[in-house]
Amino acid sequence: GNSVTQMEGPVTLSEEAFLTINCTYTATGYPSLFWYVQYPGEGLQLLLKATKADDKGSNKGFEATYRKETTSFHLEKGSVQVSDSAVYFCALSLYNQGGKLIFGQGTELSVKP
Amino acid sequence: NAGVTQTPKFRILKIGQSMTLQCTQDMNHNYMYWYRQDPGMGLKLIYYSVGAGITDKGEVPNGYNVSRSTTEDFPLRLELAAPSQTSVYFCAIISEGSGANVLTFGAGSRLTVL
Repeated sequence: GNSVTQMEGPVTLSEEAFLTINCTYTATGYPSLFWYVQYPGEGLQLLLKATKADDKGSNKGFEATYRKETTSFHLEKGSVQVSDSAVYFCALSLYNQGGKLIFGQGTELSVKP
Repeated sequence: NAGVTQTPKFRILKIGQSMTLQCTQDMNHNYMYWYRQDPGMGLKLIYYSVGAGITDKGEVPNGYNVSRSTTEDFPLRLELAAPSQTSVYFCAIISEGSGANVLTFGAGSRLTVL
């Protein structure tokens, strides 16, 4: 079946540290891949996406590259800020599946000053 | 969360009570979804709709019902609340024209069943 696996949290970093959150997927077909972010007390919002192999999604200093050969979509940021503290969700969707997203379990990131 | 409105934001129910979570969108989108979020479990799809009059089950539909009589509204009903339904519920729509299945989420409804 289709699934998404994320690195377990919580992840605690100091400000300006490098961030990697691992995400791997299993899918029948060629999915689109997403990272969503959830700030405390809010709904999820799209952070970045990639729709085909070797695409790189980027936004707000975050980036992720769609790696078909390793079925991965790892999230990275070179220098995190306290304001990046949130829960990050990796997700996939498949064409002609009614727009449904399959989410990973989420990774909580806490950035300390 | 502009465009997707969920009510109520918080609710406490007793076991066996019923209630409806409301979701309204003002962007005339066809695709709407209900997810539940449990700690450490990510989001699971409960039900979805691809247009007025059309609904379908997601991954975890048991204990819930939906209807889609208009494009704007997609209510989620719990008929006999159980503690296992304690969760945060999110309604979402597809942001059409995004080139991919990008979801816009409501702010969420936190439900506790005691």
